[in-house]
Amino acid sequence: QVQLVESGGGVVQPGRSLRLSCAASGFTFSSNAMYWVRQAPGKGLEWVSFIWYDGSNKYYADSVKGRFTTSRDNSKNTVYLQMNSLRAEDTAVYYCAKDRSGVVIEYWGQGTLVTVSS
Amino acid sequence: QSALTQPASVSGSPGQSITISCTGTSSDVGGYNYVSWYQQHPGKAPKLMIYDVSKRPSGVSDRFSGSKSGNTASLTISGLQAEDEADYYCSSYTSRSTWVFGGGTKLTVL
Repeated sequence: QVQLVESGGGVVQPGRSLRLSCAASGFTFSSNAMYWVRQAPGKGLEWVSFIWYDGSNKYYADSVKGRFTTSRDNSKNTVYLQMNSLRAEDTAVYYCAKDRSGVVIEYWGQGTLVTVSS
Repeated sequence: QSALTQPASVSGSPGQSITISCTGTSSDVGGYNYVSWYQQHPGKAPKLMIYDVSKRPSGVSDRFSGSKSGNTASLTISGLQAEDEADYYCSSYTSRSTWVFGGGTKLTVL
């Protein structure tokens, strides 16, 4: 079955960087696009980024554009989210998710909490 | 990109039907048949319940159905059960090659 396991979350000071990882199994990772979606404490879902199956296309939410970068290593079945210049408003649970058809966020991992605080 | 508009809360008794609306614009909900609905129980990851406006993934109960008219999509849950109590989010692909979520609706089963 599909498994997505995020890691790399933690407490970080404003302005610093953090890299999240998401290890995938149970499906052909190299054939599927992937997403990052976040959820601030007690708030709703916010789409963060999308990366095509081969990494050739990437899209970002305006709120993170220029600060966050998504990448993938198909040899390791892993997708990454590099987060720079972190702000307090980036505090959230970050989920990675598998794509279904190029436009559908299908399966979600359990998430990793990122707290930006001094 | 503004969030899609959902009611903050809805409620219903066991066995009843409820409908949750999701209003966007012609650049998202109205422009594409790529509306999805997610169920999220407290402390859990979201689960895909409906995709492409009205399709159900394998394993999702047929009590869940989706539809769309113009810029508004809807999720209907029939034969409400206690385990349906959760937060529900709609999502749509947009003309900017981005995705947008609704603010979420808390469903209470009375």
